[in-house]
Amino acid sequence: DAKTTQPNSMESNEEEPVHLPCNHSTISGTDYIHWYRQLPSQGPEYVIHGLTSNVNNRMASLAIAEDRKSSTLILHRATLRDAAVYYCILRDPNTGNQFYFGTGTSLTVIP
Amino acid sequence: DSGVTQTPKHLITATGQRVTLRCSPRSGDLSVYWYQQSLDQGLQFLIQYYNGEERAKGNILERFSAQQFPDLHSELNLSSLELGDSALYFCASSVDIGTLNYGYTFGSGTRLTVV
Repeated sequence: DAKTTQPNSMESNEEEPVHLPCNHSTISGTDYIHWYRQLPSQGPEYVIHGLTSNVNNRMASLAIAEDRKSSTLILHRATLRDAAVYYCILRDPNTGNQFYFGTGTSLTVIP
Repeated sequence: DSGVTQTPKHLITATGQRVTLRCSPRSGDLSVYWYQQSLDQGLQFLIQYYNGEERAKGNILERFSAQQFPDLHSELNLSSLELGDSALYFCASSVDIGTLNYGYTFGSGTRLTVV
């Protein structure tokens, strides 16, 4: 599986937008970009995924660079409940491979 | 509640012992995945079952084994336990074998402490 690079940690003030970057320069044409997050003492939960176009759902937005070598997860208004480790994962559904989690970005939300 | 049920939530046992962790997938999901999360290793994929059959293996030790039963619940058996096996063990489920791009739903985990 292609690798992703994320900052180890980030901070955000409550109620401000948060942009979590992810680099994936070796992404293949069939890799989807998935984001999961893990709240303290909980299992990871699905956030969003996309292939080429930007995606929005009730939790977040995913902005994908035109060359697909990077992406950004956008939380529009951070809340204390958004403090978690965020994982950016590439996966090719054609291979049926499992999700391989890296170290992710630990997001701290400051009240 | 994610719909994936893991029992027990906590387990404390001695070195050399054997334990069984249980997972009930979300209703309708056919695939079950086991992950191990320790402080220094992050989330490590162990094994996947799909509709009762082993589908894929990751970094699973020979002392560990798993199975998925006809009712689709799964058990992870850990034997000859060592201190280093202390970790959070997560089960996840998905509706497909992994080729349809559905996401995983994770349970809340079993915290295993080996003393």
